[in-house]
Amino acid sequence: DIQMTQSPSSLSASVGDRVTITCQASQDMSNYVNWYQQKPGKAPKLLIYDADYLETGVPSRFSGAKSGTHFSFTIHSLQPEDIATYYCQQYDRFPYTFGQGTKVDI
Amino acid sequence: QVQLQESGPGLVKPSETLSLTCSVSGGTIGSHSWSWIRQSPGDGLEWIGYFSDSGARNNPSLENRLTISVDTSKNHFSLKLSSVTATDTALYFCARQRSGVGFGGFDFWGPGILVTVSS
Repeated sequence: DIQMTQSPSSLSASVGDRVTITCQASQDMSNYVNWYQQKPGKAPKLLIYDADYLETGVPSRFSGAKSGTHFSFTIHSLQPEDIATYYCQQYDRFPYTFGQGTKVDI
Repeated sequence: QVQLQESGPGLVKPSETLSLTCSVSGGTIGSHSWSWIRQSPGDGLEWIGYFSDSGARNNPSLENRLTISVDTSKNHFSLKLSSVTATDTALYFCARQRSGVGFGGFDFWGPGILVTVSS
């Protein structure tokens, strides 16, 4: 299985800050990585697909990038409604796997 | 707008079979791939398996115990997981996969159903 090592596991930032989360894949892979936001008691919401494509309706302050086996997710100006846990997910190879999540607080 | 809703028992006894159904409204099952995903406090998010017009794939960690089936006439799909143990206790989600570019991304989810395995 491809392991997605996500870091940090949690972070605290201020409104307006730039926040970056990373996922390191355990082996070479394509850009088939997605990013989700999950708020308490809710299902995850797809924000970014294929490493750097913004899902329809998602604010442009969210972005993703890929460099080799290193994937990053950035919130360019943190807003109060961005308090959530964020997950990466790969679908380059079966089984699909998720990172362990990053809890973002203000 | 596509909506998904999981249903089934919230409590299953050890060694029995967990059975869940995902009802889809606002879209037809035949046009996308559909997955089951679960979330437990200890193990995070785990993809269980998916099916589509072209076939199905299951997570090998559950392969021998897992059956995913579809009823297109009712526009729903189902999950059966046999010989459950406490480690199968989780919040179970059904989800739709994007079509075309980004096909492995889950763009619509059900609210989830908590299943506890306990005697």
